[in-house]
Amino acid sequence: GQQLNQSPQSMFIQEGEDVSMNCTSSSIFNTWLWYKQDPGEGPVLLIALYKAGELTSNGRLTAQFGITRKDSFLNISASIPSDVGIYFCAGHPTGKLIFGQGTTLQVKP
Amino acid sequence: AAGVIQSPRHLIKEKRETATLKCYPIPRHDTVYWYQQGPGQDPQFLISFYEKMQSDKGSIPDRFSAQQFSDYHSELNMSSLELGDSALYFCASSLGVKGPSYEQYFGPGTRLTVT
Repeated sequence: GQQLNQSPQSMFIQEGEDVSMNCTSSSIFNTWLWYKQDPGEGPVLLIALYKAGELTSNGRLTAQFGITRKDSFLNISASIPSDVGIYFCAGHPTGKLIFGQGTTLQVKP
Repeated sequence: AAGVIQSPRHLIKEKRETATLKCYPIPRHDTVYWYQQGPGQDPQFLISFYEKMQSDKGSIPDRFSAQQFSDYHSELNMSSLELGDSALYFCASSLGVKGPSYEQYFGPGTRLTVT
């Protein structure tokens, strides 16, 4: 089946640093979504991307839809302690979402 | 803004028992999705409904069934529960299955523990 490879698996950074994570797919996706999940809670939608090459920002978050339509990245600038959590990329081959394995982010104050 | 509502938030059942999880989508959303998330795993798609009809099916066991009602809420029925069914179950909703409404909004989840 289709898979999304998300990296890195985990990151431990200092408060104020920038963070970058990415997702690649073996097949073309028409939509890329980025979610953040806190432990025991539901994923929260951060950014949605619909066009190849699209660059979208949401506050300190910036995400891009790769030109090949097989990859996407998420950047977080000037990280703060509340950025801690698990970040998932997700893609739409059909109506259902396929998720990456997640990137666990820890921020040291 | 109104979000997806799931009930119950926590459920403890014994093996071979039955469980029913409920999901109330965001108002005006007509599509509901169910996902299962095991510890340390990403959410896995189970099943979805669009306008009360099943629209897609994933890795949902035959012991599970679901439906969407006329008010668009959905219920996931789980029978003959097994220890391996212990997980977080999420419902998500969206407006339609095509176009810009690919955005799925997740509920807080139901934590099912099977003992």
